[in-house]
Amino acid sequence: DTAVSQTPKYLVTQMGNDKSIKCEQNLGHDTMYWYKQDSKKFLKIMFSYNNKELIINETVPNRFSPKSPDKAHLNLHINSLELGDSAVYFCASSQVGQSQETQYFGPGTRLLVL
Amino acid sequence: GENVEQHPSTLSVQEGDSAVIKCTYSDSASNYFPWYKQELGKRPQLIIDIRSNVGEKKDQRIAVTLNKTAKHFSLHITETQPEDSAVYFCAASRAGNQFYFGTGTSLTVIP
Repeated sequence: DTAVSQTPKYLVTQMGNDKSIKCEQNLGHDTMYWYKQDSKKFLKIMFSYNNKELIINETVPNRFSPKSPDKAHLNLHINSLELGDSAVYFCASSQVGQSQETQYFGPGTRLLVL
Repeated sequence: GENVEQHPSTLSVQEGDSAVIKCTYSDSASNYFPWYKQELGKRPQLIIDIRSNVGEKKDQRIAVTLNKTAKHFSLHITETQPEDSAVYFCAASRAGNQFYFGTGTSLTVIP
């Protein structure tokens, strides 16, 4: 199933580098999200974005920034990577404002910072 | 904002027994409560959800109950099977707002 897709699946990089993770959804949803899942499996919301509003979790460092070229894409840019950024990053989408609010997740991107 | 607490963090049951995972929430305006299952190395996937106008919902071996007054909801899995082993997350949200996830329950079904 490719309703929500992410690339790359794995990303290994050095501290201090800048990297991007891409996300695409073909569900026609109007809202997309980025989550970080750490080694303890906690799912932490980082951003939610629709064409009207970007909501940022205030605990997310400003080294992280979402970029949305169009409604179907929400990419995650990370500058000056740190060891603590190692985690699995999940993109998700939903159709907010209607009865169907379920979030559909992408397959995840496993980021390892060395 | 919303605060969702989930218990237990780990749960082991014998195959065929029932498993119950409980969540509480703080925002009385929350009206949508999904449950996600995440198998090892996979994405979280919705298994069942309930809205605040319903007290219980069932889908084969899985059921969810909601007590709006007490602000808690539970996932019940009956006749557990080894393939039920996974991490389960509850979440709460209100219309047009983000999900607030619980901290997850790692369920192990022992054959």
